[in-house]
Amino acid sequence: KAGVTQTPRYLIKTRGQQVTLSCSPISGHRSVSWYQQTPGQGLQFLFEYFSETQRNKGNFPGRFSGRQFSNSRSEMNVSTLELGDSALYLCASSLDRGFNEQFFGPGTRLTVL
Amino acid sequence: KNQVEQSPQSLIILEGKNCTLQCNYTVSPFSNLRWYKQDTGRGPVSLTIMTFSENTKSNGRYTATLDADTKQSSLHITASQLSDSASYICVVTTPYSNSGYALNFGKGTSLLVTP
Repeated sequence: KAGVTQTPRYLIKTRGQQVTLSCSPISGHRSVSWYQQTPGQGLQFLFEYFSETQRNKGNFPGRFSGRQFSNSRSEMNVSTLELGDSALYLCASSLDRGFNEQFFGPGTRLTVL
Repeated sequence: KNQVEQSPQSLIILEGKNCTLQCNYTVSPFSNLRWYKQDTGRGPVSLTIMTFSENTKSNGRYTATLDADTKQSSLHITASQLSDSASYICVVTTPYSNSGYALNFGKGTSLLVTP
């Protein structure tokens, strides 16, 4: 069974631009969660999607948004990029919502210049 | 102040030795506590997940313990191997209204196992 895939793996943007990251969960998994990881803050939860609806949200500004499609694939978007948005963005999938057994993808490394 | 504190921040041990990583938390109420292993450049991998009623759980050479009264958890690694070199992250989940959950992350312990 294929694992969680994230695209792209690496991305370089400049301040003010926007970016869209993609996550394909494990087949049959219906919950997708997004996380930001930086050396200073560690892992931080962004949001969780289940059945195309955002079910949980972390403490991030509205520039961070996401969505989930009917096939459970998810995208997250960051608008008006800031230097501090440089981070590893991780996606995790699980069968159901509630943060039960989660499987993480390899992440997308975003660098904002 | 972070509600999940991990110690030590980093640790170097010799291959074959045992080690114990600590996680203290203040969040309440408590839903579950997880330990993740994250290799450099890769996503975290779940090692154990424990609910309030569980006080120990093993996954091969990894054994996690939980004392919900003192709000402390530890991850014990037995007979360490070079492949154990990674960051170990403790995560405490708390429920809140409307069937939501909050995730509280520790900043991790970086473990280096040397030959």
